[in-house]
Amino acid sequence: DAGVIQSPRHEVTEMGQEVTLRCKPISGHNSLFWYRQTMMRGLELLIYFNNNVPIDDSGMPEDRFSAKMPNASFSTLKIQPSEPRDSAVYFCASRGLAGGGQFFGPGTRLTVL
Amino acid sequence: GDSVTQMEGPVTLSEEAFLTINCTYTATGYPSLFWYVQYPGEGLQLLLKATKADDKGSNKGFEATYRKETTSFHLEKGSVQVSDSAVYFCALTSGARGGSNYKLTFGKGTLLTVNP
Repeated sequence: DAGVIQSPRHEVTEMGQEVTLRCKPISGHNSLFWYRQTMMRGLELLIYFNNNVPIDDSGMPEDRFSAKMPNASFSTLKIQPSEPRDSAVYFCASRGLAGGGQFFGPGTRLTVL
Repeated sequence: GDSVTQMEGPVTLSEEAFLTINCTYTATGYPSLFWYVQYPGEGLQLLLKATKADDKGSNKGFEATYRKETTSFHLEKGSVQVSDSAVYFCALTSGARGGSNYKLTFGKGTLLTVNP
């Protein structure tokens, strides 16, 4: 059974460019999460979807960040325009039952020059 | 608010040594507790969990017991292997019983290095 799939695995871009990160959750999971991991701040929850609906986006740093989940099997996190301080590893995670564990994808390492 | 405090790393052990990584928490409601492991260059993997007081989670030789009286969830393994080298994160979700306790609060992580 495939786990959470993220693409790309690595992204290097220049400041000001648009970046789109993609995630395919585990089939049948109805909750999806986007996280950002940096050395300074550790793991931060950016946004949480339940049944494709954004429930909590309080962790989205600013208007440059947006996330969508058009259907149960796909989500995107977009940064426009990107800045060097956005450099981090971005993880997508999904969860089936409430109270169960979250299953993480391998992450996208983003470097903004 | 909710918080998780785990021992600062790095922790360096020899193979077959006993491992303890301390984790304590503060939370409202009825937290579920988790340990996640992150191997180099990979995402986090759920290692074990416990959903109520006195539950013991176990997996791959690792164990942790949910201690409500001491608000702790310490991770232990009797004999570590080189392949256990990774970063370990303690985490919790909390909320009203039966509520939507979706938000994972993570500790800062503990880097474990096991030498042959």
